[in-house]
Amino acid sequence: GDSVTQMEGPVTLSEEAFLTINCTYTATGYPSLFWYVQYPGEGLQLLLKATKADDKGSNKGFEATYRKETTSFHLEKGSVQVSDSAVYFCALSPLANQAGTALIFGKGTTLSVSS
Amino acid sequence: SQTIHQWPATLVQPVGSPLSLECTVEGTSNPNLYWYRQAAGRGLQLLFYSVGIGQISSEVPQNLSASRPQDRQFILSSKKLLLSDSGFYLCAWSLGTSGTRRSDTQYFGPGTRLTVL
Repeated sequence: GDSVTQMEGPVTLSEEAFLTINCTYTATGYPSLFWYVQYPGEGLQLLLKATKADDKGSNKGFEATYRKETTSFHLEKGSVQVSDSAVYFCALSPLANQAGTALIFGKGTTLSVSS
Repeated sequence: SQTIHQWPATLVQPVGSPLSLECTVEGTSNPNLYWYRQAAGRGLQLLFYSVGIGQISSEVPQNLSASRPQDRQFILSSKKLLLSDSGFYLCAWSLGTSGTRRSDTQYFGPGTRLTVL
């Protein structure tokens, strides 16, 4: 079945460091891919998405490129801030998306940024 | 713009007590609605989804149930809570245009933290 694998955390960085969180997926065809962020005690917020190969999603300085050849959707940011500390989830929506299809989530990667 | 509300934000309940969590969406019509549970240290598990009033599909057999009495209202219930029901419950919505890329994206509410003692 479809699945998402994320690098295990926690990831600990200093402010202004470069961030990469790896995400690979297994799916049939061309799923949509997402990154969600969850701040402590809150729900998930959509960070960015991509719906086809070579699409680049970007938001708030974060970006990720849909790589069909490597089945990857790695999240990157050039200079992290303390306020970026959160849990990041990679997710996919299967190709045959019917109403009610669950997003398939990775287990999440905790990012901690210190000043 | 669309907004999604959940309440209560936090709930502490004894084992065997009933449960009712509510989710409402504003700013859209006929959304698809979802209940997820996030247990500590684990990923998100889809519990129920609904494509319309009175239409509920269950993904995981358990002592929870869901109802959709109005177009933009989704309720999660239990008659008798178990310790294993503790977790963070998230409601989500997506556009009700099934089978298209527009309905891919799900938007989440702020969640309800449930502790069963």
